[in-house]
Amino acid sequence: AQSVTQLGSHVSVSEGALVLLRCNYSSSVPPYLFWYVQYPNQGLQLLLKYTTGATLVKGINGFEAEFKKSETSFHLTKPSAHMSDAAEYFCAVSWAAGNKLTFGGGTRVLVKP
Amino acid sequence: GAGVSQSPSNKVTEKGKDVELRCDPISGHTALYWYRQSLGQGLEFLIYFQGNSAPDKSGLPSDRFSAERTGGSVSTLTIQRTQQEDSAVYLCASSTQQGYQETQYFGPGTRLLVL
Repeated sequence: AQSVTQLGSHVSVSEGALVLLRCNYSSSVPPYLFWYVQYPNQGLQLLLKYTTGATLVKGINGFEAEFKKSETSFHLTKPSAHMSDAAEYFCAVSWAAGNKLTFGGGTRVLVKP
Repeated sequence: GAGVSQSPSNKVTEKGKDVELRCDPISGHTALYWYRQSLGQGLEFLIYFQGNSAPDKSGLPSDRFSAERTGGSVSTLTIQRTQQEDSAVYLCASSTQQGYQETQYFGPGTRLLVL
């Protein structure tokens, strides 16, 4: 079955440090790839997405992600963490017509001052 | 402009009761999705509407769950004879579907607790 895996359910980073969140998918057919962020008691907000074209995608709030087909990965990075980045992050993929999203398990980011 | 709205924001019900959850998509969005977010199962797709039709209902967990959409706008997710395992946050999303893989915009969710 096609699936999405996020390595690490919790990540703790210091303010100003690199944020790296890992996402891998299992499929021989490259999917469309998304990263969403969820703040407490809120819905999901799109950070960035990859559909076609350039494999390095820039999103909001200084985040970016690179699609690597050979590694079936779409890791999310931010060079310098800010306290406001504390949230839960979800990688999602879509293979099917109709845009149905399959989500990874989520990674909760804690930012330490 | 207004985003996706959902009501109620919180719902507490007793086991065995029926509940209705409402989603108002962004105006003009033809596609509407329901997802469920629970501690044990993470984020799961439930059902997808294109207009008033539901071409994909594959995520509905049992026949106690149903959904409809009217006027190509508002959608209602109904859970009959609620069980404790139905406790979760139910999220609605909408998109324009003008291009393949248009962005889905999510509402704040309805937090359902079944006692």
